[in-house]
Amino acid sequence: AQKITQTQPGMFVQEKEAVTLDCTYDTSDPSYGLFWYKQPSSGEMIFLIYQGSYDQQNATEGRYSLNFQKARKSANLVISASQLGDSAMYFCAIQSNFGNEKLTFGTGTRLTIIP
Amino acid sequence: KAGVTQTPRYLIKTRGQQVTLSCSPISGHRSVSWYQQTPGQGLQFLFEYFSETQRNKGNFPGRFSGRQFSNSRSEMNVSTLELGDSALYLCASSLVTGTKETQYFGPGTRLLVL
Repeated sequence: AQKITQTQPGMFVQEKEAVTLDCTYDTSDPSYGLFWYKQPSSGEMIFLIYQGSYDQQNATEGRYSLNFQKARKSANLVISASQLGDSAMYFCAIQSNFGNEKLTFGTGTRLTIIP
Repeated sequence: KAGVTQTPRYLIKTRGQQVTLSCSPISGHRSVSWYQQTPGQGLQFLFEYFSETQRNKGNFPGRFSGRQFSNSRSEMNVSTLELGDSALYLCASSLVTGTKETQYFGPGTRLLVL
């Protein structure tokens, strides 16, 4: 079984500051992928970034980077230079490369960017 | 490329009725997965279809079913609706490259059961 824990229900960040959203995971599978999705109030889940369990380097996608610490089972999302449009729910998710389940999501973090 | 599309976007039904939701994946994607999102349970995996066959299934009762057509479009059906079925239903399509599989989601269908 897989599990994702997001301990920050909500965060308020000043515009243009960097923000780190926490995510820890638990899995017994040796090969898996970690994902971050953004969900605005409209409801659509927008894919942000992916990290494979065997990737040696931390993933980056534009202003998004993933701080992957495998030994600590941690996959924190870092958003640099936050913008008002970054206000949304953010979900961390895990998917085993072997199991029958698809994505297992955390409970999410509601990020609010303050002008 | 066009993204994942879902129809209808909003739906109101009454208890005991049945409902069918539709999902068209990104062109070239053969896997379609369905998720239910509720305030109480969060995001939960329903099932996955690949090449017209159900490949994976989450822990939902048999009232929830689906199918996939030869063009990869998928439908999800919920029979004998209950109040607790009110949720956002999200469809995702994916393409596997090596060991990496990324799911891309549609805008969702908001179902309200009265």
